[in-house]
Amino acid sequence: DAGITQSPRYKITETGRQVTLMCHQTWSHSYMFWYRQDLGHGLRLIYYSAAADITDKGEVPDGYVVSRSKTENFPLTLESATRSQTSVYFCASSESEGELAEAFFGQGTRLTVV
Amino acid sequence: GQQVMQIPQYQHVQEGEDFTTYCNSSTTLSNIQWYKQRPGGHPVFLIQLVKSGEVKKQKRLTFQFGEAKKNSSLHITATQTTDVGTYFCAGSLDRGSTLGRLYFGRGTQLTVWP
Repeated sequence: DAGITQSPRYKITETGRQVTLMCHQTWSHSYMFWYRQDLGHGLRLIYYSAAADITDKGEVPDGYVVSRSKTENFPLTLESATRSQTSVYFCASSESEGELAEAFFGQGTRLTVV
Repeated sequence: GQQVMQIPQYQHVQEGEDFTTYCNSSTTLSNIQWYKQRPGGHPVFLIQLVKSGEVKKQKRLTFQFGEAKKNSSLHITATQTTDVGTYFCAGSLDRGSTLGRLYFGRGTQLTVWP
């Protein structure tokens, strides 16, 4: 199916464990983004990528690692999960060529760190 | 750093009343986008404004982009219960390494009483 998909949709993990959130898009969009959403903070950018093998930090990158070896995938890894990383994570993609740069969001991953 | 401020954070209205949310940027934007997120859902693109002073309408929704391209507003006339959700503005710059990155406001959560 075309679109942007995140997996898993829900995840419970223990403090200190490594966890990877997956994001896959089928449009071959150049840009991909990871956001976290917490009450009172809106959407905060963790990392983004302008193309394969090009990534850059956003507002809140500490404790997270990303990679983009293929255009369609942009996994987000929490190296050692902490309770403060309990959040809803959204992946998004956009083409950003030309005038329209609409971002398409995945369904989100609700992560709980216990 | 680049910031997009959005007010109010919350708005409670009775069905039929009007609603407005405002965004202000510390720097000139290339364009501004608006997104709606229903409770439990993901952000969905509504519209993009590019030109200074631009006004666009979608049925009961009116979007404006300021003359200086630093502020924007979304106005909903005669709200309905289907308008419930969080409305985000997101601005982008058109230069350098931040090309393609969106700077989100914190959102305005709209509640509509029947």
